[in-house]
Amino acid sequence: DTGVSQNPRHKITKRGQNVTFRCDPISEHNRLYWYRQTLGQGPEFLTYFQNEAQLEKSRLLSDRFSAERPKGSFSTLEIQRTEQGDSAMYLCASSLAMISGGAEAFFGQGTRLTVV
Amino acid sequence: AQSVAQPEDQVNVAEGNPLTVKCTYSVSGNPYLFWYVQYPNRGLQFLLKYITGDNLVKGSYGFEAEFNKSQTSFHLKKPSALVSDSALYFCAVRDGDSSASKIIFGSGTRLSIRP
Repeated sequence: DTGVSQNPRHKITKRGQNVTFRCDPISEHNRLYWYRQTLGQGPEFLTYFQNEAQLEKSRLLSDRFSAERPKGSFSTLEIQRTEQGDSAMYLCASSLAMISGGAEAFFGQGTRLTVV
Repeated sequence: AQSVAQPEDQVNVAEGNPLTVKCTYSVSGNPYLFWYVQYPNRGLQFLLKYITGDNLVKGSYGFEAEFNKSQTSFHLKKPSALVSDSALYFCAVRDGDSSASKIIFGSGTRLSIRP
């Protein structure tokens, strides 16, 4: 399977615990996005990388959220001191960074986080 | 800042009839526009995109979308709906004049096709 891979698919955690999610993009894609989606809503932008550089982080994102892409390949999203409001589907997507900028993003299946 | 609006939470269409799912956008530069579909418990799947050129773009599963610059719209259409088209549809936009811009999604429209 050469698509975007996210692990784990499901995570249940107690409030206050830290969680980390991993995303493996399509191999030749140099741009990687993280989104959060709650039931019936559109994906909400969290952050994105071009290679290893984090180009933008949503102002809606608290300091408890951090993302890395150390070698420009896979990425991790960490949530510290989880709260019940963090319960959502976390989506990763990747794309080529074309000069024209018109490349579409391909999404993984997501990681569903439940904070109890 | 860029934004996307999908004014209809739900669209109901009878099978065999044409369907339209509406989308309007706002960007400071030239828009790059996308449509995605999401089936239950599945990830988002790319349907089609407009970058430049012909205002009518064709995509997967018989869908097409029409770019209208004056109305800042990018409505999704299909001439004859199928029950299997029932899903959640998302419009998305990127500012094409900024090489570092992100993709922003609308809130989604649930399409329901009745037999």
